Amino acid sequence: DIQLTQSPSSLSASVGDKVTITCRAGQSISNFLNWYQQRPGKAPKLLIYAASTLQSGVSSRFSGSGSGTDFTLTISSLQPEDFATYYCQQSYSTLTWTFGQGTKVEIK
Amino acid sequence: QLQLVESGGGVVRPGKSLRLSCAASGFTFSSYGMHWVRQTPGKGLEWVALVSYDGYNTYYADSVKGRFTISRDNSKNTLYLQMSSLKTEDTAVYYCARFYQLPLTNWFDPWGQGTLVTVSS
Repeated sequence: DIQLTQSPSSLSASVGDKVTITCRAGQSISNFLNWYQQRPGKAPKLLIYAASTLQSGVSSRFSGSGSGTDFTLTISSLQPEDFATYYCQQSYSTLTWTFGQGTKVEIK
Repeated sequence: QLQLVESGGGVVRPGKSLRLSCAASGFTFSSYGMHWVRQTPGKGLEWVALVSYDGYNTYYADSVKGRFTISRDNSKNTLYLQMSSLKTEDTAVYYCARFYQLPLTNWFDPWGQGTLVTVSS
């Protein structure tokens, strides 16, 4: 299975801050990388697919970049509703989809 | 709007069985593959199983192969997960999710709210 490693595991930030989360794949996965947001007690929600395409209805303050093994999720100006856990997921190796361990974004 | 609602979770003893359901609405259920994904505090998110749009093809994670069966009833817009020979390590929140595919990519969207399965003696 393709391993995904996110960093950091958690971070503290203030409203208005720019936040960057990294996801590293154990092998090249081209751009087959998706990002999800999970608020406490809620289901994961798709934010970005194919590494950099914003899902319809998702705020433009979210952006994704990267290809190969290194990917980044950026929140340009953190809002109160953005405090959540973020997961990357690879869709390169179908039938063995894997997720990163998550990055928890907390209020400073 | 797109909606998936899971049900059927609960407390069950090791070795027993349980069936989860996922009711879909707001989209043409019979046109999409469907997944089950589970989440635990220790192992995070883990893909469990996929069924094709027509129910003819099924795929499983090694951790559940031979014990779990995914199926669907397109006439009822409902997805199922039959879990047998349950182990304590199957304790998790189970989510259903729609499988969205394009020629060069795929993703899970939307997800249901989840149902908690606790395997304990």
